[in-house]
Amino acid sequence: GQQLNQSPQSMFIQEGEDVSMNCTSSSIFNTWLWYKQEPGEGPVLLIALYKAGELTSNGRLTAQFGITRKDSFLNISASIPSDVGIYFCAGLVTGTASKLTFGTGTRLQVTL
Amino acid sequence: DTEVTQTPKHLVMGMTNKKSLKCEQHMGHRAMYWYKQKAKKPPELMFVYSYEKLSINESVPSRFSPECPNSSLLNLHLHALQPEDSALYLCASSRRGGPWDTQYFGPGTRLTVL
Repeated sequence: GQQLNQSPQSMFIQEGEDVSMNCTSSSIFNTWLWYKQEPGEGPVLLIALYKAGELTSNGRLTAQFGITRKDSFLNISASIPSDVGIYFCAGLVTGTASKLTFGTGTRLQVTL
Repeated sequence: DTEVTQTPKHLVMGMTNKKSLKCEQHMGHRAMYWYKQKAKKPPELMFVYSYEKLSINESVPSRFSPECPNSSLLNLHLHALQPEDSALYLCASSRRGGPWDTQYFGPGTRLTVL
């Protein structure tokens, strides 16, 4: 099946630093979604991207839908302790309309 | 409001028990999903309901039985589970289930099978 390669696997950063993570695929996606998940909770939608080249912000978060439609990036600026969690990218493809393909996740730790 | 609710929050059951997980949304979404998530792994799709009909079953064992009584409710009936079925079970919903649909997740049910 399709796979999304998400990197880095984990990050340990200091409060105030900027964070970048990305997802790449060998397949084209119609929609890219970025979720954050905290321990024992469900994934919370952060940003949804629908068009190649689209750049969308949500507060300190910015995500981009790659021009090739095979990748996506998420940036977090000026990180704070509550940014701790696992960040998942996920994509939707025509023909498997209801099936989200998830990335492997990026675990973010923020130190004071 | 983009809320999906799930009950119970935690469930412990024996291998001979029968239990059910419940999921509810009032966003008017017509596609609903069950996912299973093991620790430190991404969610894995189990079932998709579209307009109250089962449209995708990802070869899930028959000890898991989904049910969609109406457009707002989704149940997952559990019977004769194995310890390896212990996981976080997530429900999600989306507007129509199309390739541009955003899926919204509930908080999950933490299931432990003894």
